[in-house]
Amino acid sequence: SQQGEEDPQALSIQEGENATMNCSYKTSINNLQWYRQNSGRGLVHLILIRSNEREKHSGRLRVTLDTSKKSSSLLITASRAADTASYFCATDPRDDKIIFGKGTRLHILP
Amino acid sequence: NAGVTQTPKFQVLKTGQSMTLQCAQDMNHEYMSWYRQDPGMGLRLIHYSVGAGITDQGEVPNGYNVSRSTTEDFPLRLLSAAPSQTSVYFCASSYSYRDTYEQYFGPGTRLTVT
Repeated sequence: SQQGEEDPQALSIQEGENATMNCSYKTSINNLQWYRQNSGRGLVHLILIRSNEREKHSGRLRVTLDTSKKSSSLLITASRAADTASYFCATDPRDDKIIFGKGTRLHILP
Repeated sequence: NAGVTQTPKFQVLKTGQSMTLQCAQDMNHEYMSWYRQDPGMGLRLIHYSVGAGITDQGEVPNGYNVSRSTTEDFPLRLLSAAPSQTSVYFCASSYSYRDTYEQYFGPGTRLTVT
């Protein structure tokens, strides 16, 4: 079974609103990453948060990590049409493997 | 830099045929991996490599072989294609396995097995 699970599976919001998606994982990790995938394309790295960090920002992205709950959240503020994509969390459960979740499909409505 | 390149972009195989999906990177990355992406399943790790001559199995290795004779290349071989292997295949690389670094993905190969 997959290490990470994103929630919700799909999310539709109005342009300008904030989008929040969550990732839960099962085993201890070194780091957690978030990736974006536009339709039909390869994944693009967004942000990496290490297990000793609680929050990280990059532009309109804010990521939190709670290792006690084995969960992370990705917040996209002031959403734009270009943010329409699938978002994946990826974890490294301490054995050189990087495991992805099933993703959240985000749709920004005009 | 070309980054991570994959060939072919599209492929149709008949059941039982074999083929090799090519992956190359020009960033001198140690770590390379293959994923398959199916609807509703996200990305699943097939095989990965932490350096030339070293490979290991991921979550779904059955039916696939890999080798890493050079740092640059990491081909994925389908030994006897089955319809269940119809998927989009992504190759990825990152700087090192000794810490977690961002992965760079290729554009994908869309494989259909009939």
